Amino acid sequence: QSALTQPRSVSGSPGQSVTISCTGTSSDVGGFNYVSWYQQHPGKAPKLMIYDVTKRPSGVPDRFSGSKSGNTASLTISGLQAEDEADYYCCSYAGSYTWVFGGGTKLTVL
Amino acid sequence: EVQLVQSGAEVKKPGESLKISCKGSGYSFTNYWIGWVRQMPGKGLEWMGIIWPGDSDTRNSPSFQGQVTISADKSISTAYLQWSTLKASDTAMYYCARGSGTYPYFDYWGQGTLVTVSS
Repeated sequence: QSALTQPRSVSGSPGQSVTISCTGTSSDVGGFNYVSWYQQHPGKAPKLMIYDVTKRPSGVPDRFSGSKSGNTASLTISGLQAEDEADYYCCSYAGSYTWVFGGGTKLTVL
Repeated sequence: EVQLVQSGAEVKKPGESLKISCKGSGYSFTNYWIGWVRQMPGKGLEWMGIIWPGDSDTRNSPSFQGQVTISADKSISTAYLQWSTLKASDTAMYYCARGSGTYPYFDYWGQGTLVTVSS
């Protein structure tokens, strides 16, 4: 079970959009529609931002959206705000009630 | 209000044993999974395993199989993560999280328990 592949860092200016990719295999991302995304600010616990590839929990701004194509899932953040600066992790169901996280992406708001 | 409250930070020596806890409240503890996630210093999240407190059905990541024991006491709405022999490489923050859905996503997280293993 290898970690999903995410870019180590992305950046954008306030108001812009950024997309974070998460690449796995047909045994995880490509095989199931159970990808979730988590935001983690320094020193804080992770927070659920997207689940089941595209669904947003209540309270998460609609600036956050998720998608998937083949073995790659993506998180898009539109209308970037300073408070979006954080680490982002994808997570995929990998069968037999096991999960795998991505390596994480540091988002910098310029 | 759903809450997961974890036990406090621990400082241990290599070879010692340890059990940390995660107490759920504000929801039906036996009807949701509880997962455990490791975050080593400066590193990313790693999924360790998951337990269904209703019947203690447990699934472990192959990476952690045999290294830790996950358990739960549904009578006190508490899940546990346990080591029999700690190593320096177990130094990390450990999070518990509630798993929701048929193939759970983790919608509520504990505050984390920092475990430091040092001689």
